Amino acid sequence: DGGITQSPKYLFRKEGQNVTLSCEQNLNHDAMYWYRQDPGQGLRLIYYSQIVNDFQKGDIAEGYSVSREKKESFPLTVTSAQKNPTAFYLCASSSAFPETQYFGPGTRLLVL
Amino acid sequence: SQQGEEDPQALSIQEGENATMNCSYKTSINNLQWYRQNSGRGLVHLILIRSNEREKHSGRLRVTLDTSKKSSSLLITASRAADTASYFCATDEAGNNRKLIWGLGTSLAVNP
Repeated sequence: DGGITQSPKYLFRKEGQNVTLSCEQNLNHDAMYWYRQDPGQGLRLIYYSQIVNDFQKGDIAEGYSVSREKKESFPLTVTSAQKNPTAFYLCASSSAFPETQYFGPGTRLLVL
Repeated sequence: SQQGEEDPQALSIQEGENATMNCSYKTSINNLQWYRQNSGRGLVHLILIRSNEREKHSGRLRVTLDTSKKSSSLLITASRAADTASYFCATDEAGNNRKLIWGLGTSLAVNP
């Protein structure tokens, strides 16, 4: 099955801890994206990558980091510098910009 | 920054009725997309309409685009309870730095 997967579904972060959210796609897409969604809100772009080994900051990159070492994978690390990390995180991919984006099921991050 | 603005913010209708949602944007675009999000899930792409198109259909969905008014509408005909979801529009600014701009969404409730 082709698609985009995210893990874990729920993630709990302790104070001062870095956590990493996984995003994998087997759609052979060049572009990948990370979004943050807060309750009742639209999507805000954290980081995006158009090609392997290259990525750009989105609108709310502070406190987050990413890597793109493989075409299939685009992990997001929420660092301790992100003071309000509780949110629903969505990963997406597309064959090119600005074509259709395919979304994963999301990871809900909660702070203990 | 949010370019797309959907209205209404919330819509409640009876099964079988039509639902219309609107999206307004501020700058010139290459295309406009509509997505659906069921509660707690990832987004699903519905329709992409390009700036040189005025209307597009997909099953029970009809999307119109008026570039002179910088607005789009999504019509769902003969709604079903399964259409209950949030609907988002997303635009790309012509010549921008390759990211979609998302609206805050319309929450649609279809009552059986």
